[in-house]
Amino acid sequence: EVQLLESGGGLVQPGGSLRLACAGSGFSFSNYDMSWVRQAPGKGLEWVSGISGSGGSTYYADSVKGRFTVSRDNSENTLYLQMNSLRGEDTAVYYCAALWFEELSGYFDSWGQGTLVTVSS
Amino acid sequence: SYVLTQPPSVSVAPGKTARITCGGNNIGSKSVHWYQQKPGQAPVVVIRYDSDRPSGIPERFSGSNSGNTATLTISGVEDGDEADYYCQVWESASDHPGIFGGGTMLTVL
Repeated sequence: EVQLLESGGGLVQPGGSLRLACAGSGFSFSNYDMSWVRQAPGKGLEWVSGISGSGGSTYYADSVKGRFTVSRDNSENTLYLQMNSLRGEDTAVYYCAALWFEELSGYFDSWGQGTLVTVSS
Repeated sequence: SYVLTQPPSVSVAPGKTARITCGGNNIGSKSVHWYQQKPGQAPVVVIRYDSDRPSGIPERFSGSNSGNTATLTISGVEDGDEADYYCQVWESASDHPGIFGGGTMLTVL
């Protein structure tokens, strides 16, 4: 059974930093591109960042570029999101998701349960 | 960047058919995926690659995609289908390839 388990969320002050982790199990982690998707309270889904299976390619939404860094440790089956210079608008539930990629398109076939990040003084 | 447009809400009576649209420039040339999200839960894919239904998803869910509109159709709507629905595409040539529509809240009357 595929499982993704996020951790690391919490309350942080504006301008602060936080690192999220997502532990994967039940599938060949290194074969999957992974992404972070967030959802602000009462709002829709927003793709935040993605990383290739090898970790050699990374992608970011304009809203987080230069502040967030995605990485992975395939030996530990773990995905990370380092979040710096946090703002109030970064408050959201952050999901990690595994991307199934085929024929130049991808969809998220497995999701974690999400971890809440609250940016507030 | 590419934009997907969904109606904020759709209402339907039980047993009827709900259609949720996802608009985008020449979206028919792309693969569209649909997710269902219930309150407090992570999204679940209900349609992938325009019209393919993953195992475990009822046959009542179907999808189509042509021109500038992709459509998720739910036939014989049940109370349990009440949820938010999101369309998504993956723009491989883009620096920020993951794109979601704004979401549609389906209300079962």
